[in-house]
Amino acid sequence: QVQLVQSGAEVKKPGASVKVSCKASGDSFSGITWVRQAPGRGLEWMGWISADSGNTKYAQKFQGRATMTTNTLTTTVTMELRSLRSDDTAVYFCATWPPGDSDSWGQGTLVTVSS
Amino acid sequence: DIQMTQSPSSLSASVGDRVTITCRASQYISNYVAWYQQKPGKVPKLLIYGASTLQSGVPSRFSGSRSGTDFTLTISSLQPEDVATYYCQKYNSPPFTFGPGTKVAVK
Repeated sequence: QVQLVQSGAEVKKPGASVKVSCKASGDSFSGITWVRQAPGRGLEWMGWISADSGNTKYAQKFQGRATMTTNTLTTTVTMELRSLRSDDTAVYFCATWPPGDSDSWGQGTLVTVSS
Repeated sequence: DIQMTQSPSSLSASVGDRVTITCRASQYISNYVAWYQQKPGKVPKLLIYGASTLQSGVPSRFSGSRSGTDFTLTISSLQPEDVATYYCQKYNSPPFTFGPGTKVAVK
């Protein structure tokens, strides 16, 4: 089993950037996906990063504004989101990928964007 | 991009009822659909992957099937602990889009 532990809650002003980290331990895994959930809303897929190659795929909506990186030494995956807006206020989750490989999720990180 | 529609958006059923949730892909995606359960305030949990493979540890009352581009999640006998929102997700190729969700309540 893989355990994923995310960094803590963040409060940011509009236009700022945020980095959310996801530290993995336990079994190996193929990749990490990032999903967010705005208050009272559904799940939104943001992107995916390969655990070994660092290859990435982003949802069109986040292309150019989000960057996902992996540090194999520290087994930490980081998601940076820039030019924050109020509608980026959400809980951000990392999760192992693909489905069925394993099913491990981080605990979620609340990012609040407010002036 | 391939869209995932989900129906119904919400339902209420009695304990013991058979519940069916449907997800429709706008294009062919083979069996690359996963189903998740999310209880209020909790992290999503994988129930089904490959359209019909039950994730380890998930109760056998949950099952999944596919007919063409229609995917179905069935709860054979609804239990009080099944109150949650259920999401489908396509994963044949990026973007790995989620359906809008189905909120399940117990009468």
